[in-house]
Amino acid sequence: DAGVTQSPTHLIKTRGQQVTLRCSPKSGHDTVSWYQQALGQGPQFIFQYYEEEERQRGNFPDRFSGHQFPNYSSELNVNALLLGDSALYLCASSLGQGNTIYFGEGSWLTVV
Amino acid sequence: EDQVTQSPEALRLQEGESSSLNCSYTVSGLRGLFWYRQDPGKGPEFLFTLYSAGEEKEKERLKATLTKKESFLHITAPKPEDSATYLCAVHFSGGYNKLIFGAGTRLAVHP
Repeated sequence: DAGVTQSPTHLIKTRGQQVTLRCSPKSGHDTVSWYQQALGQGPQFIFQYYEEEERQRGNFPDRFSGHQFPNYSSELNVNALLLGDSALYLCASSLGQGNTIYFGEGSWLTVV
Repeated sequence: EDQVTQSPEALRLQEGESSSLNCSYTVSGLRGLFWYRQDPGKGPEFLFTLYSAGEEKEKERLKATLTKKESFLHITAPKPEDSATYLCAVHFSGGYNKLIFGAGTRLAVHP
């Protein structure tokens, strides 16, 4: 049983560019959340998707957007990249609310 | 404001030296408290979920407990392979499945 899978693993982008990160949830899971983790910090909630709709959003600007597909996979898009967007981006999946939440290995984004 | 605080920030132990990590929280309507282990450069690995005060869960050398205001992760006779960052997160009413994380405790176990 595959867990949460994310791609790409690492990427380097230039300030002002756009990036798309992808996530496939654990088999049977229907809810996908995205988190940003800066070095030495705990993960910060970006937003959550359920039934292809954004259900809740954290304190992140509109440059951060996402999408969930009918097969429950998800994308995170970040526009107009800033140096401060450099972080580990984590995808988490669960079945509904209040159940165990599993994380992927993350996508390391470096903005230069 | 909903908040999770972990202490200590870093902990160095000798192999076999037991200790405890603390996670204190201030949220309205706790629905669950999660413990994760994170190795450098990797995603968080699920360890435990605790739902109500007084609940305890164990896994190998780890034991997690929960009170109304804090949780402890007890590590008994740790080994070097237990070295990692341990993250605590809370899930609260009205938060759907949003987790609020602490900054973590970096544990180093030396032989």
